[in-house]
Amino acid sequence: GEDVEQSLFLSVREGDSSVINCTYTDSSSTYLYWYKQEPGAGLQLLTYIFSNMDMKQDQRLTVLLNKKDKHLSLRIADTQTGDSAIYFCAETPSGGYNKLIFGAGTRLAVHP
Amino acid sequence: DAGVIQSPRHEVTEMGQEVTLRCKPISGHNSLFWYRQTMMRGLELLIYFNNNVPIDDSGMPEDRFSAKMPNASFSTLKIQPSEPRDSAVYFCASSFIGGYTFGSGTRLTVV
Repeated sequence: GEDVEQSLFLSVREGDSSVINCTYTDSSSTYLYWYKQEPGAGLQLLTYIFSNMDMKQDQRLTVLLNKKDKHLSLRIADTQTGDSAIYFCAETPSGGYNKLIFGAGTRLAVHP
Repeated sequence: DAGVIQSPRHEVTEMGQEVTLRCKPISGHNSLFWYRQTMMRGLELLIYFNNNVPIDDSGMPEDRFSAKMPNASFSTLKIQPSEPRDSAVYFCASSFIGGYTFGSGTRLTVV
């Protein structure tokens, strides 16, 4: 089946690192994605990782993929107040057509 | 590129009325997706098209919902008749290969 699970809430202090975790069920997913949604806006693609990689770094963002455990994480270094948003994990299950299955989203709150 | 364009941004309608949401995907993208977002159910995939053809509409809640894509640059999502429980933010997204580009959404309120 297709299912993506995330914790719903994370609170961090400004300047600390944030780690948002996600588990997925489809082991044949080709790509896994992280999206960011700010209040009143649509979802914005943050980063993605191909299933044959185990890590990808992009400036303050680090994505770690553990295929054996079907676990994906997003680490944000030096978290800023502007990072406060909802972060969605998504997978592309087998079957083509680029269909994405999203988790429920993790609300990140950054406090001074 | 103007991105994925949705209209209207906000819609308030009375129960029983017909509602039509519109989406213009990014030129060159061959897949289009309609999602609904609510606090209770999160992001739900309603229907998606590939090369203008509906591929999977299993997420459409009931027969009151219908979607069309008459050409590569336009899609509609229609609710007839609308009900208060349809109140949500409806997103359209398009893609070619890989990640989606989302529109800003239509916030629908049915009173």
